[in-house]
Amino acid sequence: QVQLVQSGAEVKKPGASVKVSCKASGYTFTSYYMHWVRQAPGQGLEWMGIINPSGGSTSYAQKFQGRVTMTRDTSTSTVYMELSSLRSEDTAVYYCAKDDYGDYYMDVWGKGTTVTVSS
Amino acid sequence: DIVMTQSPDSLAVSLGERATINCKSSQSVLYSSNNKNYLAWYQQKPGQPPKLLIYWASTRESGVPDRFSGSGSGTDFTLTISSLQAEDVAVYYCQQYYSTPPVTFGQGTRLEIK
Repeated sequence: QVQLVQSGAEVKKPGASVKVSCKASGYTFTSYYMHWVRQAPGQGLEWMGIINPSGGSTSYAQKFQGRVTMTRDTSTSTVYMELSSLRSEDTAVYYCAKDDYGDYYMDVWGKGTTVTVSS
Repeated sequence: DIVMTQSPDSLAVSLGERATINCKSSQSVLYSSNNKNYLAWYQQKPGQPPKLLIYWASTRESGVPDRFSGSGSGTDFTLTISSLQAEDVAVYYCQQYYSTPPVTFGQGTRLEIK
Protein backbone atom coordinates (compact mmCIF):
# COMPACT_ATOMS: atom_id res chain seq x y z
CA GLN A 1 0.00 0.00 0.00
CA VAL A 2 1.11 3.57 -0.55
CA GLN A 3 2.94 4.95 2.46
CA LEU A 4 4.72 8.17 3.27
CA VAL A 5 6.97 7.94 6.32
CA GLN A 6 8.24 11.21 7.70
CA SER A 7 11.17 11.94 9.95
CA GLY A 8 10.82 12.63 13.65
CA ALA A 9 10.05 15.75 15.59
CA GLU A 10 12.56 18.58 15.66
CA VAL A 11 13.28 21.41 18.06
CA LYS A 12 15.21 24.32 16.61
CA LYS A 13 16.36 27.74 17.73
CA PRO A 14 15.33 30.89 15.87
CA GLY A 15 17.55 31.50 12.88
CA ALA A 16 18.39 27.84 12.41
CA SER A 17 17.34 25.53 9.58
CA VAL A 18 15.39 22.31 9.61
CA LYS A 19 15.31 19.49 7.07
CA VAL A 20 12.36 17.12 7.08
CA SER A 21 12.33 13.88 5.12
CA CYS A 22 9.50 11.89 3.61
CA LYS A 23 10.15 8.35 2.39
CA ALA A 24 7.67 6.98 -0.11
CA SER A 25 6.80 3.35 -0.75
CA GLY A 26 4.14 1.30 -2.49
CA TYR A 27 4.14 3.17 -5.79
CA THR A 28 6.47 4.43 -8.51
CA PHE A 29 8.18 7.33 -6.76
CA THR A 30 9.07 9.28 -9.89
CA SER A 31 5.57 9.16 -11.34
CA TYR A 32 3.80 11.45 -8.86
CA TYR A 33 4.55 14.93 -7.59
CA MET A 34 4.89 15.52 -3.86
CA HIS A 35 3.46 18.47 -1.93
CA TRP A 36 4.48 19.96 1.39
CA VAL A 37 1.75 21.44 3.57
CA ARG A 38 2.10 22.83 7.07
CA GLN A 39 -0.33 23.40 9.93
CA ALA A 40 0.42 25.73 12.82
CA PRO A 41 -1.06 24.78 16.21
CA GLY A 42 -4.84 25.11 16.11
CA GLN A 43 -4.73 26.56 12.60
CA GLY A 44 -5.62 25.51 9.07
CA LEU A 45 -3.64 24.02 6.23
CA GLU A 46 -1.00 26.06 4.40
CA TRP A 47 0.54 24.89 1.13
CA MET A 48 4.28 25.38 0.90
CA GLY A 49 5.24 23.94 -2.45
CA ILE A 50 5.61 20.95 -4.71
CA ILE A 51 8.40 18.88 -6.18
CA ASN A 52 8.47 16.65 -9.23
CA PRO A 53 10.51 13.63 -8.08
CA SER A 54 11.26 12.71 -11.67
CA GLY A 55 13.29 15.74 -12.69
CA GLY A 56 13.51 17.53 -9.36
CA SER A 57 11.71 20.68 -10.53
CA THR A 58 9.99 22.64 -7.82
CA SER A 59 7.38 25.33 -7.31
CA TYR A 60 7.14 27.21 -4.04
CA ALA A 61 4.47 29.38 -2.47
CA GLN A 62 5.53 32.99 -2.68
CA LYS A 63 5.48 33.27 1.10
CA PHE A 64 8.33 30.76 1.39
CA GLN A 65 10.41 31.75 -1.64
CA GLY A 66 14.02 32.14 -0.62
CA ARG A 67 13.59 30.19 2.62
CA VAL A 68 12.42 26.77 1.46
CA THR A 69 14.21 24.15 -0.60
CA MET A 70 12.64 20.90 -1.71
CA THR A 71 14.83 18.11 -3.00
CA ARG A 72 14.59 14.42 -3.69
CA ASP A 73 16.71 11.29 -3.72
CA THR A 74 15.40 8.82 -6.25
CA SER A 75 17.70 6.06 -4.99
CA THR A 76 15.84 6.02 -1.68
CA SER A 77 12.44 7.33 -2.84
CA THR A 78 12.74 10.18 -0.41
CA VAL A 79 11.82 13.84 -0.67
CA TYR A 80 13.16 16.53 1.61
CA MET A 81 11.93 19.92 2.69
CA GLU A 82 14.44 22.34 4.20
CA LEU A 83 13.27 25.57 5.78
CA SER A 84 15.83 28.15 6.81
CA SER A 85 15.92 31.28 8.98
CA LEU A 86 13.37 29.73 11.30
CA ARG A 87 11.21 31.94 13.49
CA SER A 88 8.64 31.12 16.13
CA GLU A 89 5.83 31.41 13.58
CA ASP A 90 7.30 28.39 11.77
CA THR A 91 6.30 26.16 14.67
CA ALA A 92 3.94 23.72 12.98
CA VAL A 93 3.29 20.19 11.82
CA TYR A 94 4.79 19.69 8.37
CA TYR A 95 3.14 17.15 6.07
CA CYS A 96 4.25 15.64 2.83
CA ALA A 97 1.38 14.61 0.59
CA LYS A 98 1.38 12.70 -2.67
CA ASP A 99 -0.23 14.36 -5.65
CA ASP A 100 -2.75 12.48 -7.72
CA TYR A 101 -1.87 12.40 -11.44
CA GLY A 102 -0.51 15.92 -11.55
CA ASP A 103 -3.84 17.56 -10.77
CA TYR A 104 -2.63 19.22 -7.56
CA TYR A 105 -4.91 17.53 -5.10
CA MET A 106 -3.42 15.17 -2.49
CA ASP A 107 -4.51 11.58 -2.17
CA VAL A 108 -2.07 10.23 0.43
CA TRP A 109 -0.55 12.11 3.35
CA GLY A 110 2.31 11.43 5.70
CA LYS A 111 1.63 11.47 9.44
CA GLY A 112 3.40 14.79 9.84
CA THR A 113 6.57 16.08 11.47
CA THR A 114 6.33 18.51 14.35
CA VAL A 115 8.84 21.34 14.17
CA THR A 116 9.12 23.55 17.22
CA VAL A 117 11.07 26.80 17.02
CA SER A 118 11.96 28.12 20.44
CA SER A 119 14.84 29.91 22.06
CA ASP B 1 -4.47 33.78 -5.50
CA ILE B 2 -7.91 32.22 -5.23
CA VAL B 3 -9.40 32.70 -1.77
CA MET B 4 -11.52 29.88 -0.39
CA THR B 5 -14.12 30.74 2.25
CA GLN B 6 -15.99 28.07 4.17
CA SER B 7 -19.19 28.42 6.15
CA PRO B 8 -19.98 27.91 8.88
CA ASP B 9 -16.75 27.90 10.90
CA SER B 10 -18.28 25.29 13.20
CA LEU B 11 -21.33 23.12 13.12
CA ALA B 12 -23.10 20.84 15.61
CA VAL B 13 -25.41 18.17 14.21
CA SER B 14 -27.30 15.33 15.88
CA LEU B 15 -26.35 11.75 15.12
CA GLY B 16 -28.20 10.50 12.07
CA GLU B 17 -28.99 14.00 10.84
CA ARG B 18 -27.65 15.74 7.74
CA ALA B 19 -24.59 17.96 7.92
CA THR B 20 -23.89 20.56 5.24
CA ILE B 21 -20.66 22.52 4.81
CA ASN B 22 -20.27 25.26 2.24
CA CYS B 23 -17.23 26.48 0.36
CA LYS B 24 -17.03 29.56 -1.83
CA SER B 25 -14.13 30.47 -4.11
CA SER B 26 -13.18 34.04 -5.00
CA GLN B 27 -13.22 33.09 -8.68
CA SER B 28 -14.60 30.21 -10.67
CA VAL B 29 -12.73 26.90 -10.43
CA LEU B 30 -14.66 25.41 -13.35
CA TYR B 31 -12.43 24.72 -16.33
CA SER B 32 -14.65 25.13 -19.36
CA SER B 33 -12.60 22.97 -21.72
CA ASN B 34 -13.22 19.79 -19.70
CA ASN B 35 -16.22 20.92 -17.62
CA LYS B 36 -14.45 19.95 -14.40
CA ASN B 37 -14.50 21.80 -11.11
CA TYR B 38 -11.03 21.82 -9.57
CA LEU B 39 -12.22 21.44 -6.00
CA ALA B 40 -11.37 18.84 -3.33
CA TRP B 41 -12.60 18.13 0.18
CA TYR B 42 -10.54 16.72 3.06
CA GLN B 43 -11.40 15.42 6.51
CA GLN B 44 -9.00 15.87 9.41
CA LYS B 45 -9.60 14.09 12.69
CA PRO B 46 -7.76 15.21 15.84
CA GLY B 47 -4.10 14.22 15.82
CA GLN B 48 -4.28 12.84 12.28
CA PRO B 49 -3.27 14.10 8.87
CA PRO B 50 -5.96 15.21 6.43
CA LYS B 51 -7.71 12.54 4.40
CA LEU B 52 -8.97 13.05 0.86
CA LEU B 53 -12.75 12.62 0.65
CA ILE B 54 -13.84 14.19 -2.63
CA TYR B 55 -12.13 15.50 -5.76
CA TRP B 56 -13.41 17.11 -8.95
CA ALA B 57 -16.05 18.55 -6.60
CA SER B 58 -18.15 15.40 -6.55
CA THR B 59 -16.01 12.30 -7.11
CA ARG B 60 -15.72 10.24 -3.96
CA GLU B 61 -12.29 8.84 -3.17
CA SER B 62 -12.10 5.06 -3.02
CA GLY B 63 -13.17 3.74 0.37
CA VAL B 64 -15.04 6.87 1.43
CA PRO B 65 -18.54 6.03 2.70
CA ASP B 66 -21.35 7.02 0.38
CA ARG B 67 -22.94 9.19 3.06
CA PHE B 68 -20.34 11.78 1.98
CA SER B 69 -21.19 13.69 -1.18
CA GLY B 70 -19.94 16.80 -2.90
CA SER B 71 -21.87 19.16 -5.13
CA GLY B 72 -21.70 22.59 -6.70
CA SER B 73 -20.04 24.30 -9.62
CA GLY B 74 -18.20 27.48 -10.48
CA THR B 75 -17.71 29.30 -7.19
CA ASP B 76 -20.13 27.60 -4.79
CA PHE B 77 -19.69 24.11 -3.40
CA THR B 78 -21.18 21.92 -0.71
CA LEU B 79 -20.03 18.89 1.24
CA THR B 80 -22.96 16.89 2.60
CA ILE B 81 -22.92 14.10 5.13
CA SER B 82 -26.32 12.51 4.75
CA SER B 83 -26.53 10.78 8.14
CA LEU B 84 -23.95 11.89 10.66
CA GLN B 85 -21.99 9.17 12.45
CA ALA B 86 -19.88 9.62 15.57
CA GLU B 87 -16.70 8.94 13.59
CA ASP B 88 -17.42 11.92 11.32
CA VAL B 89 -16.43 14.40 14.03
CA ALA B 90 -13.56 16.26 12.39
CA VAL B 91 -12.47 19.45 10.71
CA TYR B 92 -13.31 19.61 7.01
CA TYR B 93 -11.35 21.62 4.45
CA CYS B 94 -12.04 22.51 0.85
CA GLN B 95 -9.14 23.10 -1.55
CA GLN B 96 -8.96 24.57 -5.04
CA TYR B 97 -6.47 23.32 -7.59
CA TYR B 98 -7.69 25.34 -10.57
CA SER B 99 -5.12 28.09 -10.32
CA THR B 100 -1.80 26.71 -9.18
CA PRO B 101 0.54 27.51 -7.73
CA PRO B 102 -0.48 28.08 -5.12
CA VAL B 103 -2.95 25.50 -3.97
CA THR B 104 -5.29 27.21 -1.52
CA PHE B 105 -7.46 25.80 1.26
CA GLY B 106 -10.51 27.06 3.05
CA GLN B 107 -10.10 27.95 6.72
CA GLY B 108 -11.81 24.73 7.83
CA THR B 109 -15.18 23.84 9.37
CA ARG B 110 -15.30 22.04 12.69
CA LEU B 111 -18.08 19.45 12.86
CA GLU B 112 -19.31 18.23 16.23
CA ILE B 113 -22.13 16.13 17.62
CA LYS B 114 -25.09 18.02 19.07
